[in-house]
Amino acid sequence: QVQLVQSGAEVKKPGASVKVSCKASGYTFTSYYMHWVRQAPGQGLEWMGMINPSGGTTTYAQKFQGRFTMTRDTSTTTVYMELSSLRSEDTALYYCARDFNLPPECYFDYWGQGTLVTVSS
Amino acid sequence: DIQMTQSPSSLSASVGDRVTITCRASQSISGYLNWYQWKPGKAPKLLIYAASSLQSGVPSRFSGSGSGTDFTLTISSLQPEDFATYYCQQSYSAPRTFGPGTKVEIK
Repeated sequence: QVQLVQSGAEVKKPGASVKVSCKASGYTFTSYYMHWVRQAPGQGLEWMGMINPSGGTTTYAQKFQGRFTMTRDTSTTTVYMELSSLRSEDTALYYCARDFNLPPECYFDYWGQGTLVTVSS
Repeated sequence: DIQMTQSPSSLSASVGDRVTITCRASQSISGYLNWYQWKPGKAPKLLIYAASSLQSGVPSRFSGSGSGTDFTLTISSLQPEDFATYYCQQSYSAPRTFGPGTKVEIK
């Protein structure tokens, strides 16, 4: 069965960086794009970016350009997201989500369990 | 970027009520619209994809309609487990923007 298992909670100081992993299993890793979505406390879902695990190409939301990086390791079927220059507003639950993409059917069908990143001095 | 709006932002309803949530896109997205349910402490759950297709395993009391810029999620008879926040999301183009959410609370 498809599973996305994320790394554990992180506490970081302002200005630091955080790297969160998402290990995929139960399907062909390179056949599905992976996305990152976050939810700050009391806020809605916010799309951050996506990666093509096959070639490694990425697309990021304009808001995060310059301090957000997505990478993948095909040998371990793991996708990573790294967010730098952290500020308190980055405190959020971060999710990876698999993209089922067969137009016109394009949706996130499996999600990781979420990783809480807390930014606090 | 395509902007998504939802209305209402919250609503109070009783078990058995019919509930309708509206989502609007800032430009035409054809039928590239999905609905997710979110509960605290859990990952979002896909309910409806491609505007009107019911995800496998989702109860038939959930339905979606619409195309172009205007979409609707309907819960025909609200159940206790349906109290949650609902998000629409466009999958027409990147960034895959979400609506701000509609919180369904118990009356």
